[in-house]
Amino acid sequence: AQTVTQSQPEMSVQEAETVTLSCTYDTSESDYYLFWYKQPPSRQMILVIRQEAYKQQNATENRFSVNFQKAAKSFSLKISDSQLGDAAMYFCAYRISFYGGATNKLIFGTGTLLAVQP
Amino acid sequence: DTAVSQTPKYLVTQMGNDKSIKCEQNLGHDTMYWYKQDSKKFLKIMFSYNNKELIINETVPNRFSPKSPDKAHLNLHINSLELGDSAVYFCASSREGEGYGYTFGSGTRLTVV
Repeated sequence: AQTVTQSQPEMSVQEAETVTLSCTYDTSESDYYLFWYKQPPSRQMILVIRQEAYKQQNATENRFSVNFQKAAKSFSLKISDSQLGDAAMYFCAYRISFYGGATNKLIFGTGTLLAVQP
Repeated sequence: DTAVSQTPKYLVTQMGNDKSIKCEQNLGHDTMYWYKQDSKKFLKIMFSYNNKELIINETVPNRFSPKSPDKAHLNLHINSLELGDSAVYFCASSREGEGYGYTFGSGTRLTVV
């Protein structure tokens, strides 16, 4: 069974600094997708960034970037120039297939609560 | 326009009652889901529907019954509510063939007293 592990329950970063959130996953599949979602206190789930497993290039979205290590099954999120609005719970998620069936589901890690200090 | 909307946002009810949560998406997505977020913030899938057909039912008690009248709507009915049902329930949708993840509703916080 696929699992997603986030080993850092809480992290803290100073405003304008850089922070990296860790995520590892376990799968026997070669083709899958990985995501980071942000959940602020409003509880809305917001997609931050996504990575296709077949792409070697790491995804980047403005201040957010990932370090995808397929062999190590690692998918960390780097937030540069941290802002107060980045404070939230961050979830790593894995998805095996986009084409229906019982495998078509997002599997989430347990989350990392990020605090941003002014 | 809200892409995935859930109602109500908050629901407080007594043990033993029956309640429903409604979800609608205007994105034209083929698949809709219900996720449960427990008190420790862990998110777990409960159900998924693809074009009104039940695809995933993840060992959820049969007190929970999803219903999809059309592919834009997925409702969740809960019978005989128990204290342990207290959680945040998220509806989500996705389009097949596009790697954009899921779009989530804003969640329904259910409190059973």
